[in-house]
Amino acid sequence: GNSVTQMEGPVTLSEEAFLTINCTYTATGYPSLFWYVQYPGEGLQLLLKATKADDKGSNKGFEATYRKETTSFHLEKGSVQVSDSAVYFCALPNTGNQFYFGTGTSLTVIP
Amino acid sequence: DAGVTQSPTHLIKTRGQHVTLRCSPISGHKSVSWYQQVLGQGPQFIFQYYEKEERGRGNFPDRFSARQFPNYSSELNVNALLLGDSALYLCASSWLGASQGEQYFGPGTRLTVT
Repeated sequence: GNSVTQMEGPVTLSEEAFLTINCTYTATGYPSLFWYVQYPGEGLQLLLKATKADDKGSNKGFEATYRKETTSFHLEKGSVQVSDSAVYFCALPNTGNQFYFGTGTSLTVIP
Repeated sequence: DAGVTQSPTHLIKTRGQHVTLRCSPISGHKSVSWYQQVLGQGPQFIFQYYEKEERGRGNFPDRFSARQFPNYSSELNVNALLLGDSALYLCASSWLGASQGEQYFGPGTRLTVT
């Protein structure tokens, strides 16, 4: 079935630093790809998505490009803020109407 | 507009007991999915219901069951609780099935089994 592999965390950055969280996928065909974010003590929120190869999803300064050549969907942000501290999950649909989440990457941004 | 709501927020049960968790989707959403999130891990898919029918089931034992009601709300039931069932249980709703569109998550129910 479909799956994703995320970079191990935790990641600690200073405010205004550049962020990259790696995500690679294994899939049949070209399913939509998603990044979800979970702030402390909350449920998950959709951060961005891309529905086909070469699409770029973007939201709140975050971006991710669906690259079929490298089977990747890396999350990037040019200048992180303390409020970006959260756990980030890469995700994609799986067979049997399932939805598969990666293990998550914890980000802490320090002032 | 109200988001996805879940009840209760927290729950403490003893091994062997039964638990029922409840979820109300966003108005107009016909699909509800349930996930188990163990501390430090990503959510694991348990069930998806669409238009009151089970449309997907993850790799969980038969102790886990669910149903969706005519108003699209849903219940997740877990029988014969084990210590390993301690987790955050998340409900998500969407317009279409979980594999077809983005999902909106509730805040979760924190279940502790002692």
